[in-house]
Amino acid sequence: NAGVMQNPRHLVRRRGQEARLRCSPVKGHSHVYWYRQLPEEGLKFMVYLQKENIIDESGMPKERFSAEFPKEGPSILRIQQVVRGDSAAYFCASSPPSRQGKNQPQHFGDGTRLSIL
Amino acid sequence: GNSVTQMEGPVTLSEEAFLTINCTYTATGYPSLFWYVQYPGEGLQLLLKATKADDKGSNKGFEATYRKETTSFHLEKGSVQVSDSAVYFCALRGDNYGQNFVFGPGTRLSVLP
Repeated sequence: NAGVMQNPRHLVRRRGQEARLRCSPVKGHSHVYWYRQLPEEGLKFMVYLQKENIIDESGMPKERFSAEFPKEGPSILRIQQVVRGDSAAYFCASSPPSRQGKNQPQHFGDGTRLSIL
Repeated sequence: GNSVTQMEGPVTLSEEAFLTINCTYTATGYPSLFWYVQYPGEGLQLLLKATKADDKGSNKGFEATYRKETTSFHLEKGSVQVSDSAVYFCALRGDNYGQNFVFGPGTRLSVLP
């Protein structure tokens, strides 16, 4: 079984460009989570999505950032008009629906390292 | 809301030393508890978990016991190796439908030969 797949692994953008980060969850997982991690720091929760729904976006900046998890296809984290401070590793995780597997852990991808020039 | 507190790092030990990384939590009901490990340049990997009080999770020589009376889930290993050098995250998931995961800030462990 494939784990969580994130691409690209590394993404370089210039200030003002858009960054699109993709995440394909474990097959059968309907919940996706996005986190940001700065060097030498912990995980910062950004958003929690179910298919076609945002469950919790309390960690998402109000501007420039958006996330979706469509019925078909991967989850996308989109950052518009990137700035130097957006440079970080962005991790995606997936889990089964909590009602069916509330004891199940999250499975993490290897992350996308975003660098802003 | 739910929260997780971990001991501040970094923790530096010599090979074969005993390891304890403290983790305490605040949550209503009966959350599930997890320890994750992150090696340099990689994502987080599940190390062990416990889903109810007094459960002991164990893996690769690491252990943690779910203590509801002290709301703790401390990570222990009897004899660490250089290859255990990584960042360790304690996490919980609440027991209500749609509950999000909550992570501690992580504890960096360095094991010296």
